[in-house]
Amino acid sequence: DQQVKQNSPSLSVQEGRISILNCDYTNSMFDYFLWYKKYPAEGPTFLISISSIKDKNEDGRFTVFLNKSAKHLSLHIVPSQPGDSAVYFCAAKPGNENYGQNFVFGPGTRLSVLP
Amino acid sequence: NAGVMQNPRHLVRRRGQEARLRCSPMKGHSHVYWYRQLPEEGLKFMVYLQKENIIDESGMPKERFSAEFPKEGPSILRIQQVVRGDSAAYFCASSPQGTASNQPQHFGDGTRLSIL
Repeated sequence: DQQVKQNSPSLSVQEGRISILNCDYTNSMFDYFLWYKKYPAEGPTFLISISSIKDKNEDGRFTVFLNKSAKHLSLHIVPSQPGDSAVYFCAAKPGNENYGQNFVFGPGTRLSVLP
Repeated sequence: NAGVMQNPRHLVRRRGQEARLRCSPMKGHSHVYWYRQLPEEGLKFMVYLQKENIIDESGMPKERFSAEFPKEGPSILRIQQVVRGDSAAYFCASSPQGTASNQPQHFGDGTRLSIL
């Protein structure tokens, strides 16, 4: 029972273009979301977060959009750079400990930015 | 300003042996989380600890696995009588406050456990 889904295992984008990574969730009690980037043989690195009271959060080239009614969030990277090539994980957590208190991770999307 | 430190980075064990994985959280962080990642899968939560306490072990297998976070020293994830299915990357994360606060967790580079 996958509560957090990233339906695209991989994505290729040309350098300078926009990368859009998608994440869907099924648990309506999730209200805090994170994106992590992971290079091979390293741990995940925190990128950006969003809580359910907002629908957009921006940090430099990275923007996360949240659509609560659709239970969908996306990460936009613009412009994409070769160094962005990595696996991107979406993670979500309930807002109320009665519904769980730990992050649930998606399976990841491997982004390749082509020079 | 050291991040989350995990050692060893690679660990090879034969079936039936014990594996001990260590994690030192970031300075100032007293909350530690262990995750397991199988090939081509996401990270699966195992256990959440605060100093000397297990807060949530709902993701831990019922047998052979245990975790501790003593008052002094690193957190330890212990796997007894390892089997081939235990081969995975084990990641530790830490945060300054618990999961009730909306804060990201910061990860170490993991221990890759291989069972022969």
